[in-house]
Amino acid sequence: GAGVSQSPSNKVTEKGKDVELRCDPISGHTALYWYRQRLGQGLEFLIYFQGNSAPDKSGLPSDRFSAERTGESVSTLTIQRTQQEDSAVYLCASSLLGGAPNTQYFGPGTRLTVL
Amino acid sequence: AQSVAQPEDQVNVAEGNPLTVKCTYSVSGNPYLFWYVQYPNRGLQFLLKYITGDNLVKGSYGFEAEFNKSQTSFHLKKPSALVSDSALYFCAVSRTGAGSYQLTFGKGTKLSVIP
Repeated sequence: GAGVSQSPSNKVTEKGKDVELRCDPISGHTALYWYRQRLGQGLEFLIYFQGNSAPDKSGLPSDRFSAERTGESVSTLTIQRTQQEDSAVYLCASSLLGGAPNTQYFGPGTRLTVL
Repeated sequence: AQSVAQPEDQVNVAEGNPLTVKCTYSVSGNPYLFWYVQYPNRGLQFLLKYITGDNLVKGSYGFEAEFNKSQTSFHLKKPSALVSDSALYFCAVSRTGAGSYQLTFGKGTKLSVIP
């Protein structure tokens, strides 16, 4: 598979639990992005990784959210003490190089439901 | 701050008729503009982008978009709609230069092509 993959595809959790979402970018892509898509809304930027540079975390909505990336490979988005308002689809994207006009290619997303 | 408006939540068109999905944007400086399509339970698929040059951009699946700087618009068009074009369409903008990796998305327009 040459595309961006994400796991799990669906996650149901109880309020207060921690969750980890995983993203495997396209091989060779140096940039990786996380977005959140709430029902009926557009995508909200969360965080951007470019190579070994410090990530741009300016879109993370609270300190309960964090993300890591090892080199130019897998990334994990962690949400601690989940709240019901965290329910959304979390989308990961990668691009060959960082920034527009480089095209961002998206994974299928992880649908998170917090009960 | 940059923003995107997709004024129509839903567009209905008969199969074989031309279709237009509208998008207007606001950004400081010159924009990069993108269209993505999202099928049910799938991630976003890239359709086309405007970087510079020719105002008419051609993309995947017979779609095209026209960049109009004076009207700050980037409407998506297709001469003859197919039932399989029914999906959710997102317009996105980023500025050129520093911070260009932050795409701002519209809320999406649901396109329904009626057989």
